[in-house]
Amino acid sequence: AQKITQTQPGMFVQEKEAVTLDCTYDTSDQSYGLFWYKQPSSGEMIFLIYQGSYDEQNATEGRYSLNFQKARKSANLVISASQLGDSAMYFCAMRGPPYSGGYNKLIFGAGTRLAVHP
Amino acid sequence: GAGVSQSPSNKVTEKGKDVELRCDPISGHTALYWYRQRLGQGLEFLIYFQGNSAPDKSGLPSDRFSAERTGESVSTLTIQRTQQEDSAVYLCASSFSGGAGDTQYFGPGTRLTVL
Repeated sequence: AQKITQTQPGMFVQEKEAVTLDCTYDTSDQSYGLFWYKQPSSGEMIFLIYQGSYDEQNATEGRYSLNFQKARKSANLVISASQLGDSAMYFCAMRGPPYSGGYNKLIFGAGTRLAVHP
Repeated sequence: GAGVSQSPSNKVTEKGKDVELRCDPISGHTALYWYRQRLGQGLEFLIYFQGNSAPDKSGLPSDRFSAERTGESVSTLTIQRTQQEDSAVYLCASSFSGGAGDTQYFGPGTRLTVL
């Protein structure tokens, strides 16, 4: 069964510094996708970044990058130059291969609450 | 364009009553998903619709939960005989379903409180 583990319930970072949010996953599939979402206090889930299991390069989207270490089954989110507006819950999620039951859903971790201090 | 919309944004009901939650996906998205998020927790998958295929209901927690979708548009999640443990935020998402990296875009959710 697929599983996502986020071991940091809470993190804080000083404004303008970089922060890494940890995510490890467990799957027996060779093909899968990894996602990070941000959930501000308003409650909406905002898509941040995606990494496919066969992608050789780490994904980047603006200030967000995904440190993908396939052998260690980790997909850590790195936020560079933190801003006050980055304060939110961050969820790591995984999707199984196409044409499998695991493709029909995202499996989410418990989340990490990030607080950015001025 | 318009994102995923959900209604109502908040719903307070009494134990034992039935509730209906509505989701309008992004136009052109063929896939639609429902998730539940209990307070302080991650999201739990409930049900998935893809075009005219039979839905994946594997995440529905009991037979009190059901959902319907009309074609590739609106979906309704129904909870019958609500219980206090049903209190949660119910989130709907849609996706284009065009490939392995298909991204799910979420609505703002419906906060359900069962008294």
